[in-house]
Amino acid sequence: KQEVTQIPAALSVPEGENLVLNCSFTDSAIYNLQWFRQDPGKGLTSLLLIQSSQREQTSGRLNASLDKSSGRSTLYIAASQPGDSATYLCAVPSSGGSYIPTFGRGTSLIVHP
Amino acid sequence: DVKVTQSSRYLVKRTGEKVFLECVQDMDHENMFWYRQDPGLGLRLIYFSYDVKMKEKGDIPEGYSVSREKKERFSLILESASTNQTSMYLCASSLGTGIQDGYTFGSGTRLTVV
Repeated sequence: KQEVTQIPAALSVPEGENLVLNCSFTDSAIYNLQWFRQDPGKGLTSLLLIQSSQREQTSGRLNASLDKSSGRSTLYIAASQPGDSATYLCAVPSSGGSYIPTFGRGTSLIVHP
Repeated sequence: DVKVTQSSRYLVKRTGEKVFLECVQDMDHENMFWYRQDPGLGLRLIYFSYDVKMKEKGDIPEGYSVSREKKERFSLILESASTNQTSMYLCASSLGTGIQDGYTFGSGTRLTVV
């Protein structure tokens, strides 16, 4: 059964820092990995989707990498801002050919001015 | 802009009531999902559907049922609400098997059962 772990569980940083959030998964036979952002009391907003054939995806100040062989993905946030404060979750297919996602518990990020 | 719409942001219901949570997507997606999210437990899959009138149990189906009469609509039903069903409920959808497009979520329904 796929298991997804996100480290750290919580992070508090001053504005302007570059951040790395980690996601690891046990079954590396995945076809994609997706990073989401969740604001308090809200739904999940998709940030980046990485296909298994890709090594990374970029959107603005966000960069996500995928290393299937080691079962890891990282989300890099450059020059963090208070508006980046949220919970960040990663999701991968539950098993190799599955379309049902398994989610990590998330990293709760606070960026203070 | 494609959307998954959950009909209510906040609901307060009494113990024993029958509760309907509605989810509509406008992307012609085959797959739809219902999750609940609780502090410390993350997202847990309740039910999912891969086609009209088809449904499959997720990890925690007890106390819930679902209905998918039309492709765009997936309803979660609490037959007799209990206080332990107080939670954030999230609906999501995705394209068919072997999807390359990821998942799209609704904005969530915060249900309180008193």
